[in-house]
Amino acid sequence: DVKVTQSSRYLVKRTGEKVFLECVQDMDHENMFWYRQDPGLGLRLIYFSYDVKMKEKGDIPEGYSVSREKKERFSLILESASTNQTSMYLCASRGTSGAVTQYFGPGTRLLVL
Amino acid sequence: GQQLNQSPQSMFIQEGEDVSMNCTSSSIFNTWLWYKQDPGEGPVLLIALYKAGELTSNGRLTAQFGITRKDSFLNISASIPSDVGIYFCAFTSGTYKYIFGTGTRLKVLA
Repeated sequence: DVKVTQSSRYLVKRTGEKVFLECVQDMDHENMFWYRQDPGLGLRLIYFSYDVKMKEKGDIPEGYSVSREKKERFSLILESASTNQTSMYLCASRGTSGAVTQYFGPGTRLLVL
Repeated sequence: GQQLNQSPQSMFIQEGEDVSMNCTSSSIFNTWLWYKQDPGEGPVLLIALYKAGELTSNGRLTAQFGITRKDSFLNISASIPSDVGIYFCAFTSGTYKYIFGTGTRLKVLA
């Protein structure tokens, strides 16, 4: 069965802290995504990775960076957390470029104080 | 930029009722997707539509890709309490870009 896991379901951090959100998929997928989900705004793409060490900026990359050192793992990094980064963060993976089905993790709800 | 309008934003219905929601876009795209997000979970793909006019069912769910390629609807027949959640439409041109609607929050009253 398809599985995307995220390292934490809930996180509370302080302004200015460096935050790491981890995502792991077990489907040998090439493509991985990080989204944030906010009420009334839907899902917005932060970063996309199409292979190990390869990445593309999404619609809202400011204040975030990513790392993909291994195919199964895609990390989202908040270099210096701010209160406006309080949100639900969703990771997804997808197979070959012809596929449209994204498989989502359960999400990490981040609160920045 | 591309916009996707989804309605209604939320709805309360009685168990057993049919439900309908729709999405309209400002652009033409190749693929419409419908997702459901259960409380506390990530979205799960329900139905994918690939060509104009296509009508596809998945159990009690039916979705159609509008012939103008700018709209889609999702129907749920005979709703049950476990249908509660947020339903999202999305479209993609087949690249890594997915445009998501803002969601329809469904609450089913037993």
